[in-house]
Amino acid sequence: GDSVTQMEGPVTLSEEACLTINCTYTATGYPSLFWYVQYPGEGLQLLLKATKADDKGSNKGFEATYRKETTSFHLEKGSVQVSDSAVYFCALRVKNNDMRFGAGTRLTVKP
Amino acid sequence: EAGVVQSPRYKIIEKKQPVAFWCNPISGHNTLYWYRQNLGQGPELLIRYENEEAVDDSQLPKDRFSAERLKGVDSTLKIQPAELGDSAVYLCASSLGTGQETQYFGPGTRLLVL
Repeated sequence: GDSVTQMEGPVTLSEEACLTINCTYTATGYPSLFWYVQYPGEGLQLLLKATKADDKGSNKGFEATYRKETTSFHLEKGSVQVSDSAVYFCALRVKNNDMRFGAGTRLTVKP
Repeated sequence: EAGVVQSPRYKIIEKKQPVAFWCNPISGHNTLYWYRQNLGQGPELLIRYENEEAVDDSQLPKDRFSAERLKGVDSTLKIQPAELGDSAVYLCASSLGTGQETQYFGPGTRLLVL
């Protein structure tokens, strides 16, 4: 069935380092793809999304490009901050707006 | 505008006891979702409502779980009796509809069953 596989964590980086969190998907048809972020003690927040191949989603310095040929939607940021420490979830949307989430990747950014 | 509200935020109960979670979605959102998030995993859908109708409850363990959304606004998720394996975070989300709308999540209720 439709599913998402994302890079296992935890990931620990120093401030201003480059970030990449890998995400690949399996789906029939052409799903929409998402990155959600979960800060400590809070619910999931939509970070960015892309609805078709070659679309690039971006927000708060994060980017991800919908790659149909590699079935991937990797999350990237050129310079992370301490405030980016959170758990990041890759997800795809199937029929009826149902979401399938990856297991999450915990990012810790140290000053 | 207020986001999705959930209560309680934390609940500790002994096994075999009942427990209930409450969710108030964003005003005007017709679609409401309940998810369960086990430790170290992503959320998994339990049930989806369109207004007051449960349109997808295929993942809801119906022997012990029940849910309702009587007036198409607030919703309650109940577990009776709770088991050790029910320990998880229960998330509520809402969206305008079931087209291409974004789902907005509440902070969740963290349940610990002892």
